[in-house]
Amino acid sequence: EDQVTQSPEALRLQEGESSSLNCSYTVSGLRGLFWYRQDPGKGPEFLFTLYSAGEEKEKERLKATLTKKESFLHITAPKPEDSATYLCAVQGVRTGANNLFFGTGTRLTVIP
Amino acid sequence: DAGVTQSPTHLIKTRGQQVTLRCSPISGHKSVSWYQQVLGQGPQFIFQYYEKEERGRGNFPDRFSARQFPNYSSELNVNALLLGDSALYLCASSLESGTHYGYTFGSGTRLTVV
Repeated sequence: EDQVTQSPEALRLQEGESSSLNCSYTVSGLRGLFWYRQDPGKGPEFLFTLYSAGEEKEKERLKATLTKKESFLHITAPKPEDSATYLCAVQGVRTGANNLFFGTGTRLTVIP
Repeated sequence: DAGVTQSPTHLIKTRGQQVTLRCSPISGHKSVSWYQQVLGQGPQFIFQYYEKEERGRGNFPDRFSARQFPNYSSELNVNALLLGDSALYLCASSLESGTHYGYTFGSGTRLTVV
């Protein structure tokens, strides 16, 4: 069965204090690993899709990396506006190309 | 360019009632998926529709049903509401039904069952 575990559950950073969020996954054949950002009361906002181990993608202060067992979302010099819940999701061969399997998210708070 | 639009934004229903949620995908997107997000949890897959046909179904009871219309908009219906159905219901659209096209989510419908 597909499984996604995100850690930590919550993270408080000072503005400018870089850190990483972890997403460990178990899936029978990875089609893609997705990172989303979600603000309170809003829908998830797409950040990245990673397809194979060794792949990296960057967007502003965010960088996502992928290995065969986990993905990291690195946040460099975060700002208060980066405060949100970050969700990781996988799409596996067994579940078909039809749905994303989400973790429970990491709630990030960046303090000015 | 309009994103994924969902209506209504908030809804309060009584146990046992029925509810219909609506979703309009991004123009040109043919696939619509529905997710349920309980407070503090990640979204959980309910259905996917592509070209008006069901392409996937999550582990939800038969009280949940959906359909997609010729203009690619979609409705999610939930019958015999339970307190546990209280959640944020999210709609996501994509060009096709596969991985290589991003999934864009709407802002959701907050359903409260009392």
